[in-house]
Amino acid sequence: DAKTTQPTSMDCAEGRAANLPCNHSTISGNEYVYWYRQIHSQGPQYIIHGLKNNETNEMASLIITEDRKSSTLILPHATLRDTAVYYCIVSPAGGFYGGSQGNLIFGKGTKLSVKP
Amino acid sequence: GAVVSQHPSWVICKSGTSVKIECRSLDFQATTMFWYRQFPKQSLMLMATSNEGSKATYEQGVEKDKFLINHASLTLSTLTVTSAHPEDSSFYICSARDIGLNPGELFFGEGSRLTVL
Repeated sequence: DAKTTQPTSMDCAEGRAANLPCNHSTISGNEYVYWYRQIHSQGPQYIIHGLKNNETNEMASLIITEDRKSSTLILPHATLRDTAVYYCIVSPAGGFYGGSQGNLIFGKGTKLSVKP
Repeated sequence: GAVVSQHPSWVICKSGTSVKIECRSLDFQATTMFWYRQFPKQSLMLMATSNEGSKATYEQGVEKDKFLINHASLTLSTLTVTSAHPEDSSFYICSARDIGLNPGELFFGEGSRLTVL
């Protein structure tokens, strides 16, 4: 079962920041927070991930609370092409670090609609 | 970033036939690939973990004899839906992790839409 809770849907005006919340109150110490998005009829696209520090890349920023029980994905200037389902996932880092096989368990995600 | 490619993108077949879907890591080696299935308006469900050179690991409720997985090389995994039926119609997505790069990023293919008539 997914270990995260996200709102079912959100709207955002084009050009404004989109803030997508995620609750993961049962996160373990070795689990990362991953964000992926899925545009209709395409495979999921990696956005960003983090452990406890805030992270930023060319796509988005990830803000993780100090207790790590929740996080927020920020798209600073949403465009129409950002309309997608956004998935927040917690999982141990797999593969190279051993342990988990590295698969991800997807929840229902948040359907973000960016409107002109 | 790393690229994972699936083929075919979509396929329509008659009930009772078998369909093979390929998943390739184009610029990295993947000892492990994952196969997901997604029904309309639902989230991705992990079906199985494909391990290079060994048997796949299937999730509970997924029939290993119906969904045959072969991972013969470090860049190719195949999923064969045997004796397909209309209820197997779905969006099948593979993913792989490039352990040589950022271990936290799982790369996904474009997906393969299967329609069984």
